[in-house]
Amino acid sequence: EPEVTQTPSHQVTQMGQEVILRCVPISNHLYFYWYRQILGQKVEFLVSFYNNEISEKSEIFDDQFSVERPDGSNFTLKIRSTKLEDSAMYFCASSVQREVSEQFFGPGTRLTVL
Amino acid sequence: KNEVEQSPQNLTAQEGEFITINCSYSVGISALHWLQQHPGGGIVSLFMLSSGKKKHGRLIATINIQEKHSSLHITASHPRDSAVYICAVPKTSGSRLTFGEGTQLTVNP
Repeated sequence: EPEVTQTPSHQVTQMGQEVILRCVPISNHLYFYWYRQILGQKVEFLVSFYNNEISEKSEIFDDQFSVERPDGSNFTLKIRSTKLEDSAMYFCASSVQREVSEQFFGPGTRLTVL
Repeated sequence: KNEVEQSPQNLTAQEGEFITINCSYSVGISALHWLQQHPGGGIVSLFMLSSGKKKHGRLIATINIQEKHSSLHITASHPRDSAVYICAVPKTSGSRLTFGEGTQLTVNP
């Protein structure tokens, strides 16, 4: 069964460093998402992406964040200068269409900023 | 007020019991999602429904659009059902999901 994959599963970085989280969405899906979950809190939307551009972004998704689909399969989230408060689980998801469509989630990347 | 409210926050049951988790939402939606988050953190989509009822194995999800309320039922609960169950709804203008706080379910043998 096709699934969304994410790498790495755990990333530890120093404050101020850049990190890139990688995702491979399901191959025939067109819409891609990043969500994050700070430990003990609910999941929050970061950004959605379609047709090589951002469709929507939340207030959390400020200038230190960027997304890219560098090739036909990968979907990346870059955090330019990490802060302690960026420590969280980051989930990638994909769906076939935008409205009324099931979203399939990757296993997540746990980011720890020291 | 949260846009998505779940109850209860925590639920402990004995194996075999019938479980109900509730979700109320305040925004107009096209569909509602029920998700399961495993102890390791991974999220699995259980249901997406826009009306009526859906069943998958021992899981049943219902939704009442007029009352803006959905329920997730688990029949004959088992310890492997222990997880966090999350209700999520899309914003009316798009597909970004707004998540509930989740219900931590523990099923004891």
